[in-house]
Amino acid sequence: QVQLVESGGGVVQPGRSLRLSCTASGFTFSNYGMHWVRRVPGKGLEWVAGISFDGGETYYADSLKGRFTISRDNSKNTLFLQMNSLRLEDTALYHCAKDIGTTARWFDPWGQGSLVTVSS
Amino acid sequence: EIVLTQSPATLSLSPGERATLSCRASQSISGYLAWYQQKPGQGPRLLIYDASTRAPGIPARFSGGGSETDFTLTISSLEPEDFAIYYCQQRSIWRPAYTFGQGTKLEI
Repeated sequence: QVQLVESGGGVVQPGRSLRLSCTASGFTFSNYGMHWVRRVPGKGLEWVAGISFDGGETYYADSLKGRFTISRDNSKNTLFLQMNSLRLEDTALYHCAKDIGTTARWFDPWGQGSLVTVSS
Repeated sequence: EIVLTQSPATLSLSPGERATLSCRASQSISGYLAWYQQKPGQGPRLLIYDASTRAPGIPARFSGGGSETDFTLTISSLEPEDFAIYYCQQRSIWRPAYTFGQGTKLEI
């Protein structure tokens, strides 16, 4: 079955960088768009970024543009989120999610998430 | 940014009853709306997309309706496994950008 497993989370100081990975299995990764969504404590779900099936198109939440970069390696069935200049408010559980189409439709399924804590 | 407001925040019902959850958008989103179910320790699960299309494998007791700014998720007869948190999500008409509602907790 489709499985998405996030990794790379942890505790990081403000201003530092972190890269999350999402390893996919159970489907043809290169045929589907992918997304990152985060659950911020006390604020709910926030879409972070999306990428088309071939990596040719990327999309970002306006509030995060310029600090976060989404990318993918279809040869390794892996999705990435590079997070730079991290802030306290980036503390969240980060989920990767498979798009139901090639790009920018709806999300199914989701991984269980990787916890990122930004703290001094 | 389009804001989605879900109501009620908490809905207390019993198995076998009908549940109606509401999601209101701050401006028209046509039919670009989805519903998700989340249980503790799991990622959300897609139930309904494009306002009224059931995702594969979703039981027929789940149905979605509405358009423009007002949407509903209806569970016709609650099963014990339906007690969870439900989120609505919209996709911008103009570009790939998404926002979520704050969630409705469906409890026994």
